[in-house]
Amino acid sequence: EVQVVESGGGLVQPGGSLRLSCTTSGFTFSSYGMSWVRQAPGKGLEWVSSITNSEDTHYADPVKGRFSISRDNSKNTLYLEMNSLRAEDTAVYYCTKGGWGSHFDSWGQGTLVTVSS
Amino acid sequence: QAVVTQEPSLTVSPGETVTLTCDSSTGAVTSGHYPHWFQQKPGQAPRTLIYDTGNKLSWTPARFSGSLLGGKTALTLSGAQPEDEADYYCLLFYSGAAVFGGGTKLTVL
Repeated sequence: EVQVVESGGGLVQPGGSLRLSCTTSGFTFSSYGMSWVRQAPGKGLEWVSSITNSEDTHYADPVKGRFSISRDNSKNTLYLEMNSLRAEDTAVYYCTKGGWGSHFDSWGQGTLVTVSS
Repeated sequence: QAVVTQEPSLTVSPGETVTLTCDSSTGAVTSGHYPHWFQQKPGQAPRTLIYDTGNKLSWTPARFSGSLLGGKTALTLSGAQPEDEADYYCLLFYSGAAVFGGGTKLTVL
């Protein structure tokens, strides 16, 4: 069974940094693209970033230059390094299996990031 | 960046058929946009229903189907059930970016 579990969310001040992790199991992690999607309170889904199995990366315009996606295939783990955080980055961040080169399928339950002073 | 547009809300009676659509500001939606559809119920994470226009996941109920329709991509629900009441989002892939539609709130009433 595919499992995707996010962690690392929390309260951070504007301008601060946070690193999200996504631990996975039940599939050959190194073979698949992975993505981060966020959802602000009461709003729709917003694609944030994706990384292919060959580590090509893509970013949404609002996070380009501030966020960095990476993966550690030895740990079956996906990361999202978030810097220069703004109030508008407040959202539940979901990790998903899929992206460029592999379709989206399994989603985690999400981790809440709150940017506030 | 492209804008992806969905109907904000739709209502369907139980047992009836409803079609949700997804449009791209850049022109006709094609299979090259690898259209996906997701379902999200209140308080839950999204769930993937359809990928690459019309392919289903193992958990996708048979009453859901995806297609290209008149320059858009569409999700058709044939024989709506009360448990299908949810928000539905489409996703399109572009060169270097993926964009979600704003979502359709489907009411089964």
